[in-house]
Amino acid sequence: GQQVMQIPQYQHVQEGEDFTTYCNSSTTLSNIQWYKQRPGGHPVFLIQLVKSGEVKKQKRLTFQFGEAKKNSSLHITATQTTDVGTYFCAGPRRSGAGSYQLTFGKGTKLSVIP
Amino acid sequence: EPEVTQTPSHQVTQMGQEVILRCVPISNHLYFYWYRQILGQKVEFLVSFYNNEISEKSEIFDDQFSVERPDGSNFTLKIRSTKLEDSAMYFCASSPRTGHYEQYFGPGTRLTVT
Repeated sequence: GQQVMQIPQYQHVQEGEDFTTYCNSSTTLSNIQWYKQRPGGHPVFLIQLVKSGEVKKQKRLTFQFGEAKKNSSLHITATQTTDVGTYFCAGPRRSGAGSYQLTFGKGTKLSVIP
Repeated sequence: EPEVTQTPSHQVTQMGQEVILRCVPISNHLYFYWYRQILGQKVEFLVSFYNNEISEKSEIFDDQFSVERPDGSNFTLKIRSTKLEDSAMYFCASSPRTGHYEQYFGPGTRLTVT
């Protein structure tokens, strides 16, 4: 079945440093989604990438989707303490009747040292 | 902004007991999901539900699990005879019409089986 792998598992950075997490899928994806989960919280949708080679930006966050649509990355520039949390990539897989189940990576837990 | 809600926030139960976890998806959404997250691990798909029936279920979703949409707003997950390994955070999610892939997660129910 579809597997989604993420590295690194943990990342500790000094506030102001950059951060990158990488995601790889065992299968070609129709799209890839990124979610953020704050400590004790629930996954919150950040973005969806659909096109091969797509790059999207949200303020200090830059998301990329690989040309082969099997890998993706999230880069945060100049981290802040509010960026703390676990960042998950997720690959949708079509279930029956038009619904999509998400296969999540294990996530990258980001700690930011003030 | 509409949100997915879940009750209770925390449920403690004894092994072998039945539990029902409740969710109220976003009102105009049509696709509903249950996921679980064992502490410190990734989010795992359990089941998807559309048009009053299960679209797909994972290997985790065995005969002890069932889902129901008893009325126009609630979406429930029942575990008939809980096991210690069922202890986890259970997230309900919903998504709009097909073609909109992002899923909106509720705050979760922490299930502790003793």
